[in-house]
Amino acid sequence: DQQVKQNSPSLSVQEGRISILNCDYTNSMFDYFLWYKKYPAEGPTFLISISSIKDKNEDGRFTVFLNKSAKHLSLHIVPSQPGDSAVYFCAAMTTDSWGKLQFGAGTQVVVTP
Amino acid sequence: GAVVSQHPSRVICKSGTSVKIECRSLDFQATTMFWYRQFPKQSLMLMATSNEGSKATYEQGVEKDKFLINHASLTLSTLTVTSAHPEDSSFYICSASGGLRRALSYNEQFFGPGTRLTVL
Repeated sequence: DQQVKQNSPSLSVQEGRISILNCDYTNSMFDYFLWYKKYPAEGPTFLISISSIKDKNEDGRFTVFLNKSAKHLSLHIVPSQPGDSAVYFCAAMTTDSWGKLQFGAGTQVVVTP
Repeated sequence: GAVVSQHPSRVICKSGTSVKIECRSLDFQATTMFWYRQFPKQSLMLMATSNEGSKATYEQGVEKDKFLINHASLTLSTLTVTSAHPEDSSFYICSASGGLRRALSYNEQFFGPGTRLTVL
């Protein structure tokens, strides 16, 4: 049972424009959400996170928005750069689970010149 | 961030053999390590949680007798796939978190580069 879903397997965006990645979840007990970036043959690296008590968190070019009522979060990357081309995973957890993450299937982002 | 290594990065074995994958935290002490597997174009699926000095906790549907996990020290956890079969072919990734900082920040989970297992 997939509790975290990323319904867009791929996204192509022009350099300098905004990338918007979406993620939906079904488990209302999740209270912490994370985005990871993964290059081929490497492990995921942490990008940004958000607690369920917030609806927005910003870190440089990356902003995560959380809509708890819709069980939806999104990652905005602006401006997009060629180095952003990677697979992006959305992950969710409950804070009493000591780090157990539920991952989405990932979205492949390609930033074109 | 902290560095987590995995060895080997790639392994090909015959059906019926056992394969051991090592996960090491190189510059911090990892009281907890997680093992994931990823099938092509699918998400990372948590297999088990490993705490140093105690038995691993396996997720539902994961055979503990097939996937043996040992977390003997604060810097090393091993996953042994016993009697491997072609359906065990997958990408196995470990992550590690440090105990003292775990409760402070949930981004303190660092991933290894993964091990590609192919069972012929």
